[in-house]
Amino acid sequence: DVKVTQSSRYLVKRTGEKVFLECVQDMDHENMFWYRQDPGLGLRLIYFSYDVKMKEKGDIPEGYSVSREKKERFSLILESASTNQTSMYLCASSPGTSPPSETQYFGPGTRLLVL
Amino acid sequence: EDQVTQSPEALRLQEGESSSLNCSYTVSGLRGLFWYRQDPGKGPEFLFTLYSAGEEKEKERLKATLTKKESFLHITAPKPEDSATYLCALLPAGSYQLTFGKGTKLSVIP
Repeated sequence: DVKVTQSSRYLVKRTGEKVFLECVQDMDHENMFWYRQDPGLGLRLIYFSYDVKMKEKGDIPEGYSVSREKKERFSLILESASTNQTSMYLCASSPGTSPPSETQYFGPGTRLLVL
Repeated sequence: EDQVTQSPEALRLQEGESSSLNCSYTVSGLRGLFWYRQDPGKGPEFLFTLYSAGEEKEKERLKATLTKKESFLHITAPKPEDSATYLCALLPAGSYQLTFGKGTKLSVIP
């Protein structure tokens, strides 16, 4: 079974804090993704990575950065948290880029509240 | 612009009452269409991938079908445990990026 784990289920942070969200997959997948999910807006891609040390911006990268130093781990960093970054954050991974290996598998999510 | 529209937004069914969820899409070239199930407060759970018009896939009480403009998720004789939000997403040709619909929230009443 594919397993994607996220470091925290719930986080409460203060405005201006630096926040790290960690994601680990145990299936040797090439690609990893960070999304945020908000009511009425659906899932939106923040960043993705198709290889170690490689990253690409998604639809909403502003205010975020990412790090992928090892294949199994993909970190999302909020350099200076703001209240509009309160959201559910979802990590996903996929094996590769050719059918049928493009399916993305999601972690359980981290619900972040910024006060 | 690639777009995904799911309907209805919400659906209430009696246990055993079969129905279908719709996912309409526009894309210049489709690499794949995905269905996920999401329970409250959890991450989406993968259900199906469809690649070409005419393709069908089944899993227990669920069957997904694909045409050139839309996909349907048919639910046969649903049970209360099928209650969840069902998400449709498309992967355009030449892209890594999934485009998600807003989802259909299904409630199955005993």
